[in-house]
Amino acid sequence: EEQLVESGGGLVQPGGSLRLSCVVSGFSFSGYEMNWVRQAPGKGLEWISYISSSGLSIYYTDSVRGRFTISRDNANNSLYMQMSNLRAEDTAVYYCARGSRAFSGFETYWFFDLWGRGTLVTVSS
Amino acid sequence: EVVLTQSPGTLSLSPGERATLFCRASQSVSSTYLAWYQQKPGQAPRLLIYGASNRATGIPDRFSGSGSGTDFTLTISGLEPEDFAVYYCQLCGTPLPFTFGGGTKVEIK
Repeated sequence: EEQLVESGGGLVQPGGSLRLSCVVSGFSFSGYEMNWVRQAPGKGLEWISYISSSGLSIYYTDSVRGRFTISRDNANNSLYMQMSNLRAEDTAVYYCARGSRAFSGFETYWFFDLWGRGTLVTVSS
Repeated sequence: EVVLTQSPGTLSLSPGERATLFCRASQSVSSTYLAWYQQKPGQAPRLLIYGASNRATGIPDRFSGSGSGTDFTLTISGLEPEDFAVYYCQLCGTPLPFTFGGGTKVEIK
């Protein structure tokens, strides 16, 4: 069974740091691009970061760039998000999501076809 | 950066009725880049539609996606009890970011 399992969430003070992990099983992790998506309590989904299958291409949304670092360990089937200088507005459930790439003519597109159950990060004093 | 606006915010319908959800982009985008997700309370999102109109594996054919340019639609042809949920559209092409819309809640009338 294909599966993503996040961990590492918890309560942290403003300005603190936290490292999230996402362990995958049931598919060839090294062949897929991965993403982190978060959802603040009672709010919608927010994509925050992407990493290519090799780890060489990385993108962030503006609100986390410079504070969050995405990485992966293909040998250990794991995706990470190092979060620093955390703010109250970073409070959310953090999901890892597999990004499957497809092609249509000259266009490249993705879809997030597998999600973990999420891990809750609470930033509060 | 393209912004996706979903409407209505909430849709109140009865089982068996047809649901039409809208997703408008702030500028024209390729329909290939549009995906739809369903999320139920306490659960992770689930992929419904990708490439604007392709159903994901295991998604029943009462779900369909369409649209082009700036206007996209998710249609549920006859609501089943398990379809009452929040639905999100997402832009997932180049260039990034992979923007989500604000969501539409489909609730039981």
